[in-house]
Amino acid sequence: SAVISQKPSRDICQRGTSLTIQCQVDSQVTMMFWYRQQPGQSLTLIATANQGSEATYESGFVIDKFPISRPNLTFSTLTVSNMSPEDSSIYLCSVRPGGNEQFFGPGTRLTVL
Amino acid sequence: AQSVTQLDSQVPVFEEAPVELRCNYSSSVSVYLFWYVQYPNQGLQLLLKYLSGSTLVKGINGFEAEFNKSQTSFHLRKPSVHISDTAEYFCAVSDSGTYKYIFGTGTRLKVLA
Repeated sequence: SAVISQKPSRDICQRGTSLTIQCQVDSQVTMMFWYRQQPGQSLTLIATANQGSEATYESGFVIDKFPISRPNLTFSTLTVSNMSPEDSSIYLCSVRPGGNEQFFGPGTRLTVL
Repeated sequence: AQSVTQLDSQVPVFEEAPVELRCNYSSSVSVYLFWYVQYPNQGLQLLLKYLSGSTLVKGINGFEAEFNKSQTSFHLRKPSVHISDTAEYFCAVSDSGTYKYIFGTGTRLKVLA
């Protein structure tokens, strides 16, 4: 398993601004993922972030809007850029330590006014 | 493409009664199956997983699930629920050989006193 922390836990932001979310894992993992959970909906994969390579984005998500960094095997950041109210969601990071299951962080609750 | 259906968006049930939360997936190729629970204002916690072997899988908190390949289902059950089981439950599927999860839309279990 893995213990994951995220910062901030929640934030309220003004439209047009950007927010960077941090994800810290207690062990070294190769595969890290970023998800979005819009209000009342399920989880949608934004991108896969493997250390040492560019993030791979899913259909509908682009690097200019959601730039991701993965500087080492225990840390990653997701930036939500030029925010609009439609970006109000819970953003979760997860890791796949080596088995077939993923472990999730507590999420960052973002509200954009 | 793989898809996951959780037919019940909400399931109310009285305390100490049994419950079944339904999950069906679309593809009959080899899959890995997971159930996650999300308590209010928290991240996702893995309840149980099916990778191979016995089709009846036991998880944490008294939950179990049965993999039925012919019906492409992975329903979650608990013989006697508690108030503390009130949460959102997500079914997820991953085609074996890939790392990506496809999540269902979730089922909100509300346990009534």
